Amino acid sequence: EVHLVESGGGLVQPGGSLRLSCAASGFTFNNYWMSWVRQAPGKGLEWVANINKDGSEKFHVDSVKGRFTISRDNTKNSLYLQMNSLRVEDTAVYYCARTYHFDYWGQGALVTVSS
Amino acid sequence: DVVMTQSPLSLPVTLGQPASVSCRSSQSLVHSDGNTYLSWFQQRPGQSPRRLIYKVSNRDSGVPDRFSGSGSGTDFTLKISRVEAEDVGVYYCMQGTQRPLTFGGGTKVEIK
Repeated sequence: EVHLVESGGGLVQPGGSLRLSCAASGFTFNNYWMSWVRQAPGKGLEWVANINKDGSEKFHVDSVKGRFTISRDNTKNSLYLQMNSLRVEDTAVYYCARTYHFDYWGQGALVTVSS
Repeated sequence: DVVMTQSPLSLPVTLGQPASVSCRSSQSLVHSDGNTYLSWFQQRPGQSPRRLIYKVSNRDSGVPDRFSGSGSGTDFTLKISRVEAEDVGVYYCMQGTQRPLTFGGGTKVEIK
């Protein structure tokens, strides 16, 4: 059974940094693209970033380019999102999702950016 | 960016009756590889999203056959043949044809 478990969320001040992790199990991790999707409180879904199977291709939505970086470690079956220069508007639940088209999702990690 | 527009915003439905959600894209979703990357997701209250349909009309494993997807080009529809209590939630369409991947604003399905 596919399992995706996010961790690393929390409260951070504007301008701060946070690193989210996603531990994957139940499938061959290095055979799949992986993605991050976020959802601001009470709002809809927004794609944030995705990464190809070996980590050589990475794509980010414009609103996070230069601040967030997606990465993966296939030896640890893990996906990451390094978030720097955080803004209040980055407050959201961040979901890890399998594949380019999000066939499985984790339970999400809440990131709150506030002073 | 491709803008995804869903309607209606809210959909009150009687149990056992059909329901239909519309999704329109600002550009054709036909990819250069010939596929149309339009997916539908369900988000029940307090839960993570779950994919129901991919490439317009393909049901994901474990999705009841009362859910169906149709459409082409820029116009797509999600249909629930007979709404059950567990279908309450917000439904989102998403295009994966062009980056950035974009979602519709969501349609809230509730029981009358």
